[in-house]
Amino acid sequence: EDKVVQSPLSLVVHEGDTVTLNCSYEVTNFRSLLWYKQEKKAPTFLFMLTSSGIEKKSGRLSSILDKKELFSILNITATQTGDSAIYLCALNAGGTSYGKLTFGQGTILTVHP
Amino acid sequence: AAGVIQSPRHLIKEKRETATLKCYPIPRHDTVYWYQQGPGQDPQFLISFYEKMQSDKGSIPDRFSAQQFSDYHSELNMSSLELGDSALYFCASSLPGRVVQYFGPGTRLTVL
Repeated sequence: EDKVVQSPLSLVVHEGDTVTLNCSYEVTNFRSLLWYKQEKKAPTFLFMLTSSGIEKKSGRLSSILDKKELFSILNITATQTGDSAIYLCALNAGGTSYGKLTFGQGTILTVHP
Repeated sequence: AAGVIQSPRHLIKEKRETATLKCYPIPRHDTVYWYQQGPGQDPQFLISFYEKMQSDKGSIPDRFSAQQFSDYHSELNMSSLELGDSALYFCASSLPGRVVQYFGPGTRLTVL
């Protein structure tokens, strides 16, 4: 069964700090790994990663995938209070599980002023 | 930009009642997914539809059923509701052949 494990489960930092969120996974047929940010309600899409070693970047957020070691990291530099949210890592597997996302438990990030 | 629309946003039901949740995908998105998120839990995949046909099934109870209509909107029907069905129900949609799913605001179902 596909599995996604995120760490840490929660993180408290101050504005300006840099954080690294981890996501490790087990899957039979890997297709892609996605990162979402969930604030009050719906998860909003951040990144999709399919190839090892290629960094995806958007402003202060960046992410990279290591398919050999089966993990991904999400980095946030110069954190702001608006970055406070739950960050979800999700696996999209191929084969008969085409399309569905298997989520990790999420990392609750709290950024204090 | 248009987003996924879900209705109702909040729903309160009694045990053993039925509920119907609706989802309107982003225009041109032909695939719809349903997820259930319990308090403090990650979203769990329930079921998905592609071009009005069921494409995948997850941990959806037999008391639940869903379908996708000709205009691509989807409905999740829940019968014999139990207290444990209280959760946030998300609908997501994606473009043909694309992996990225865009989530709606969710329907918060409370079963008393």
